[in-house]
Amino acid sequence: NAGVTQTPKFRVLKTGQSMTLLCAQDMNHEYMYWYRQDPGMGLRLIHYSVGEGTTAKGEVPDGYNVSRLKKQNFLLGLESAAPSQTSVYFCASRTHPTWAYNEQFFGPGTRLTVL
Amino acid sequence: TQLLEQSPQFLSIQEGENLTVYCNSSSVFSSLQWYRQEPGEGPVLLVTVVTGGEVKKLKRLTFQFGDARKDSSLHITAAQPGDTGLYLCAGEANAGGTSYGKLTFGQGTILTVHP
Repeated sequence: NAGVTQTPKFRVLKTGQSMTLLCAQDMNHEYMYWYRQDPGMGLRLIHYSVGEGTTAKGEVPDGYNVSRLKKQNFLLGLESAAPSQTSVYFCASRTHPTWAYNEQFFGPGTRLTVL
Repeated sequence: TQLLEQSPQFLSIQEGENLTVYCNSSSVFSSLQWYRQEPGEGPVLLVTVVTGGEVKKLKRLTFQFGDARKDSSLHITAAQPGDTGLYLCAGEANAGGTSYGKLTFGQGTILTVHP
């Protein structure tokens, strides 16, 4: 099993450009999450999904859109990139959290730079 | 909005020393997790604590959840260079319920253990 994979690993964009980050998981997990990680700020939740066809806003959703058309994939889109979106983006998945000990499994991250 | 204050932000010690990382909040969490993150990788779960006053040990690492479930600590005994990395605490407000597995992360502690 590959677990959680993310593509691309690195990307440089110019201000105003758009792009889509892809997250895929092969663990049949219901729940998926997108985070951004900035120095000194830990991980902050952007959007999340509790199942195929559903999405919801997290702590810092502005400037991002998401889609979950298939259970195994969760896409994060930037319609018009801004320098403030320079960050490392992590995707995570989790089986239905009916038990507190269920963990989130993280992908390796995408390092995005917006010039 | 629930916040987790993690301290210290940086810790640089010599091999064999002991250290403690703290994670504090004014809010109650139903569960608290500790993750470790290596450069270029996603966080990996170390432990989950659920019960107030709970203590868990993982080799030389000891994790404690405060009685009121508002704080937690990670203590490392006789640190080794292999312990070097970023340590993150993360709390879930209503584990197993309507929190949908969402985590609130602390800012992280960058630990460097010198040989």
